[in-house]
Amino acid sequence: NAGVMQNPRHLVRRRGQEARLRCSPMKGHSHVYWYRQLPEEGLKFMVYLQKENIIDESGMPKERFSAEFPKEGPSILRIQQVVRGDSAAYFCASSPDVLSEEQYFGPGTRLTVT
Amino acid sequence: GDSVTQMEGPVTLSEEAFLTINCTYTATGYPSLFWYVQYPGEGLQLLLKATKADDKGSNKGFEATYRKETTSFHLEKGSVQVSDSAVYFCALKVGTGGFKTIFGAGTRLFVKA
Repeated sequence: NAGVMQNPRHLVRRRGQEARLRCSPMKGHSHVYWYRQLPEEGLKFMVYLQKENIIDESGMPKERFSAEFPKEGPSILRIQQVVRGDSAAYFCASSPDVLSEEQYFGPGTRLTVT
Repeated sequence: GDSVTQMEGPVTLSEEAFLTINCTYTATGYPSLFWYVQYPGEGLQLLLKATKADDKGSNKGFEATYRKETTSFHLEKGSVQVSDSAVYFCALKVGTGGFKTIFGAGTRLFVKA
């Protein structure tokens, strides 16, 4: 039973380019969460999605960042016109249902903006 | 708002030493509390959890007790191993509903042979 998968594991972008981060939740999980981890800091919640719906995006920057979780395919976190401050590790987690206590994390995507 | 405060690291111990990592929380409701562990280059893994006051979570020799009176959830292990070297995150989630989990800043543990 595969765990949460994220790709790419490492992504390098120049300032102004777009970054697309993908997350495939565990089989049977329909709830996805995105977190950002800056160097030497904890995880900060960004967005919570269910299939085709954004439930809570209170942690998402208002500009340049967007997320989706389509009916088919992985969840996508998209960062437009990246800046150096976007360099971080981005983690995706999934859970099977609304009552689940535990979230299962992917290995993360490390974004470096040059 | 809800928040988690944990002791700053890094914590450096010799093998077989006793480990305590302090964690306190602030929450408006009745949170569930968690410890997650992150090994180098990997994502977070749930280490243990407790869902109500006085519950003790335990796993792989680690323990933590949900103390409502002191709003704490300190992580302990009687005898650490080199393989325990990692970053440990205390976290809380209020209520059910699949909403966001609030994480502490993490405590890095180094265990020397």
